[in-house]
Amino acid sequence: EDQVTQSPEALRLQEGESSSLNCSYTVSGLRGLFWYRQDPGKGPEFLFTLYSAGEEKEKERLKATLTKKESFLHITAPKPEDSATYLCAVRDFGSQGNLIFGKGTKLSVKP
Amino acid sequence: EPEVTQTPSHQVTQMGQEVILRCVPISNHLYFYWYRQILGQKVEFLVSFYNNEISEKSEIFDDQFSVERPDGSNFTLKIRSTKLEDSAMYFCASRGTPGETQYFGPGTRLLVL
Repeated sequence: EDQVTQSPEALRLQEGESSSLNCSYTVSGLRGLFWYRQDPGKGPEFLFTLYSAGEEKEKERLKATLTKKESFLHITAPKPEDSATYLCAVRDFGSQGNLIFGKGTKLSVKP
Repeated sequence: EPEVTQTPSHQVTQMGQEVILRCVPISNHLYFYWYRQILGQKVEFLVSFYNNEISEKSEIFDDQFSVERPDGSNFTLKIRSTKLEDSAMYFCASRGTPGETQYFGPGTRLLVL
């Protein structure tokens, strides 16, 4: 069964304190791994798509990496506006497109 | 920048009533999805739709649910007889080609009393 596990569930950082969020996944064949940001009461906002092990993508203070079993979202020198829940999702080759989500990591960045 | 839109943003209904949630996907996208998120829980897949038919559905998507693309722009989710446990945020998403990325709308918060 396809599974996505995110850790930690919650992370509190001081402004400027870099850290990483983890997403471990189990699929029969990975078609894509996706990172989204979700603010309270809002829809998931797309951040990155990764397709194969070794791939990396960057956007401002965020960098996503992918291995055969997990992905990391690295946050460099975070600011309070980076506070949100970060969701990881995967698409299996066997599916018709549906995404399997993890429970998310709730990030709080204090000034 | 093109975005997915959803209406209404909030809907309150009585148990047993029918509700229709509406979505306008990104205009050149061909694949459409509905997901739901119960408060405090993870986002769950409901149904995918392509070429005017359902391509995949989850166990949640039972006979009480239906989807339709009534015209060239709208995509709807109907719940025929709502239950208390249908209370959740419902998200519409769309995907173009090539690529695998799904873009989500802002959601409809459904509360069943």
